[in-house]
Amino acid sequence: GAVVSQHPSWVICKSGTSVKIECRSLDFQATTMFWYRQFPKQSLMLMATSNEGSKATYEQGVEKDKFLINHASLTLSTLTVTSAHPEDSSFYICSIQDYEQYFGPGTRLTVT
Amino acid sequence: AQKITQTQPGMFVQEKEAVTLDCTYDTSDQSYGLFWYKQPSSGEMIFLIYQGSYDEQNATEGRYSLNFQKARKSANLVISASQLGDSAMYFCAMREGRKAAGNKLTFGGGTRVLVKP
Repeated sequence: GAVVSQHPSWVICKSGTSVKIECRSLDFQATTMFWYRQFPKQSLMLMATSNEGSKATYEQGVEKDKFLINHASLTLSTLTVTSAHPEDSSFYICSIQDYEQYFGPGTRLTVT
Repeated sequence: AQKITQTQPGMFVQEKEAVTLDCTYDTSDQSYGLFWYKQPSSGEMIFLIYQGSYDEQNATEGRYSLNFQKARKSANLVISASQLGDSAMYFCAMREGRKAAGNKLTFGGGTRVLVKP
């Protein structure tokens, strides 16, 4: 299957700052990437679908101005959490999809 | 309505025994896919097994098998000969529509499995 990396694997930031998370497809050209958020002891919730060269499609209830997604190439999508607050602390996971879905290792964000 | 329901929040299983994790789904699509993932404490999502809606045979992958009952809309995961390393969260997920890039997955709430020695 495809290999997906995320960077950073964990990050701590102060409230009000912005954090960028990268998702890379290492061996597959991904026209579509997905961003999920997972709060402790909960399931994965899809935040948005990232489409190469076009705007992301956000799920209902996800603020597109707060969670900026850029999918500028077939191997890289970025999620920027702007003006982060403690309630944004979560585990963020990206995935790419060919016929199957391959997940990155996740990024744990803690906002203090 | 929940599209994917996992009714067992947590369960214990004795090492070397089999365990069945329940998953029911709801869709009006004729073409869909069902997945099971394992998530250990590290957080990575590990793909276990896949069942397509048109697959006539139940899927099997090593110690994992999927008990697919289409009429009942259930896709239970059976783990045989449990090992201590099987302790993790297990998620059932569904892709609605045919296999294609862009078709997102919807996840169930998960079941935490703890294997006892």
